[in-house]
Amino acid sequence: ILNVEQSPQSLHVQEGDSTNFTCSFPSSNFYALHWYRWETAKSPEALFVMTLNGDEKKKGRISATLNTKEGYSYLYIKGSQPEDSATYLCASVTRDSNYQLIWGAGTKLIIKP
Amino acid sequence: NAGVTQTPKFRILKIGQSMTLQCTQDMNHNYMYWYRQDPGMGLKLIYYSVGAGITDKGEVPNGYNVSRSTTEDFPLRLELAAPSQTSVYFCAARAQSSYEQYFGPGTRLTVT
Repeated sequence: ILNVEQSPQSLHVQEGDSTNFTCSFPSSNFYALHWYRWETAKSPEALFVMTLNGDEKKKGRISATLNTKEGYSYLYIKGSQPEDSATYLCASVTRDSNYQLIWGAGTKLIIKP
Repeated sequence: NAGVTQTPKFRILKIGQSMTLQCTQDMNHNYMYWYRQDPGMGLKLIYYSVGAGITDKGEVPNGYNVSRSTTEDFPLRLELAAPSQTSVYFCAARAQSSYEQYFGPGTRLTVT
């Protein structure tokens, strides 16, 4: 069974605070790990695609790290702003999944002004 | 450049009715996908296509059919709607050279 787990399920953060959440994925036959941002009433949009162990990606105040040996990725948001409120999805790609994305259920982030 | 478009946005079906969810992309991407998203669950892959004339089952294909006669269009067909098919359906497309998927706005389907 190829499960991708995200925690926490939801998170309330004060505006200006920094936060992070986790994506756990199968480490065997790893190929890639995706992070998507999904705002309410909109479509999911790609944030990062990560492929190498130890990889770090950054886009503005959002960054992500990847540990393929132990099967986890962290997403960090520095100095949260109201526009960061969204559900953050991760998806794993492995050879076992026939290179299709296996999605986590997401972490819903709510920024309190 | 519209990206990926889906119609309709909302639909209510009675049990046993049929319908087609439309998906069109103008990015000339080879790969297209249909997902369903249920509350508290990750996106589940229904069907996918790697190019015109080629389709394949995903994780949850039962009760659905697809066709891919052109690069642009990838319709999803529900033949005998069941309450278990109440969900939000997303279509996505990606280029062969990249794993980044571009999503449509979704179709919210209720079967009663």
